[in-house]
Amino acid sequence: EIVLTQSPGTLSLSPGERATLSCRASQSVSSAYLAWYQQKPGQAPRLLIYGASSRATGIPDRFSGSESGTDFTLTISRLEPEDFAVYYCQQYGSSPWTFGQGTTVEIK
Amino acid sequence: QVQLVESGGGVVQSGGSLRLSCAVSGFTFSSYAMHWVRQAPGKGLEWLAFIRYDGSNKYYADSVKGRFTISRDNSKNTLYLQMNSLRPEDTAVYYCAGGWSDYYYYMDVWGKGTTVTVSS
Repeated sequence: EIVLTQSPGTLSLSPGERATLSCRASQSVSSAYLAWYQQKPGQAPRLLIYGASSRATGIPDRFSGSESGTDFTLTISRLEPEDFAVYYCQQYGSSPWTFGQGTTVEIK
Repeated sequence: QVQLVESGGGVVQSGGSLRLSCAVSGFTFSSYAMHWVRQAPGKGLEWLAFIRYDGSNKYYADSVKGRFTISRDNSKNTLYLQMNSLRPEDTAVYYCAGGWSDYYYYMDVWGKGTTVTVSS
C-alpha cells in the first residue's frame, strides 16, 4: 500500500498570502496518478488537481500542482477567504487507492 | 446538473447490515468508474471500494474486504454498497464518487454523503 504523508498538518495564513502544501509518497507514484481535493466543513470533497498539475473544471488558476520525484506540492498563490479548508492528496495509480491525512489551511 | 444522492444510512447494531445506494443524474453513469469513500467523525478520507464502468473489475480496501460489496445497476443509474458484519469503527459519513476516465481513476464527481452509525 502506498502511504501518502502530508505536511504541515496545519497551515495558519492570512488572506492574500501564498500557501504551499506538501504530499510525500512512500513509494514511486507517477505524476499521472496524483490528485488534490479540497473539503470544507460539512461538505463533500471537491477535485482540484489531477495528474499532479492539471486543474479540474472550474478551478481558479491560483491553484497549481507540481511534482518532484515522490514529492508533490499544491500551491495556492494568493489565499481567498473561501480557500480556508482541508486539503487531501490522493494516489490512484494502484489499489488500494490512498489519501493523505490532510492539511488544514486556517485563517491566522 | 450533476447529482449524486446517497441514501440508506442510519443506525445499526454491531454485526448488522445496511445497503447504501447512490442515485446518479446529470451525466452518463454507465461510462463512469465509481467509488465509495468514507470519513469517520473528525478524521480524514478513506477509500473503500471501486467498480469499473461496466462492473467488470472491483477492488476493496483491506478494512472492508469480505464484508462490503460494491455493485451497480447501469439501467437504474444507481451504485450500491452492501455492508455486512458492521463494526463500531465503520461509523462514518459514506460518500459515493466517480470519474469519467477508464484509466485515470480520480474522483471528479461526489455525492453529499450519508451517515452510518454502528452501535456496540
